[in-house]
Amino acid sequence: GESVGLHLPTLSVQEGDNSIINCAYSNSASDYFIWYKQESGKGPQFIIDIRSNMDKRQGQRVTVLLNKTVKHLSLQIAATQPGDSAVYFCAENMRNSGNTPLVFGKGTRLSVIA
Amino acid sequence: NAGVTQTPKFQVLKTGQSMTLQCAQDMNHEYMSWYRQDPGMGLRLIHYSVGAGITDQGEVPNGYNVSRSTTEDFPLRLLSAAPSQTSVYFCASSSYNEQFFGPGTRLTVL
Repeated sequence: GESVGLHLPTLSVQEGDNSIINCAYSNSASDYFIWYKQESGKGPQFIIDIRSNMDKRQGQRVTVLLNKTVKHLSLQIAATQPGDSAVYFCAENMRNSGNTPLVFGKGTRLSVIA
Repeated sequence: NAGVTQTPKFQVLKTGQSMTLQCAQDMNHEYMSWYRQDPGMGLRLIHYSVGAGITDQGEVPNGYNVSRSTTEDFPLRLLSAAPSQTSVYFCASSSYNEQFFGPGTRLTVL
């Protein structure tokens, strides 16, 4: 079932193209950032994380970029596939302050056009 | 490992009824939390726990109670359900590096 509604930003991408999903975070003291993927009817699933002492981290087909100057985080997905269609959330917290709760952004819906 | 399990998957309540959403994890994580997810609102933290016997409020705690008597279980209680509590509820547990979410409970309050 759909747990997020019609007002999410939506990104439509052709299959095989690269996707870039952006996130502006709010707390300049945040030192840990995570991207989650949520498929319809499921809980969020961890994709990749990055700490504030880094500006780039790569995983399998995914790259996270962190710009602390403008408090901006992005998730790049290479060669986007139909299975990448989902809602993507960024989350932040302050790990150096004792693992404070995660604060989530509102999410972006990625639609892959076959 | 079952990971994080939640029961029930779906629930319909009438206004004023009470119920408990169950959450259990088998990963021996100290940190557990409850979120609600509403359309266009992302996930909002209700309550969290950093270990057995320790709980704290999140962003939207009103109308909910929690307890943490064991490391494995973290139930969420709705004391007197209201239509504003219609939502999807997710439980999560985390190691230092990663937070694992359960499949969610879809709650409707009439």
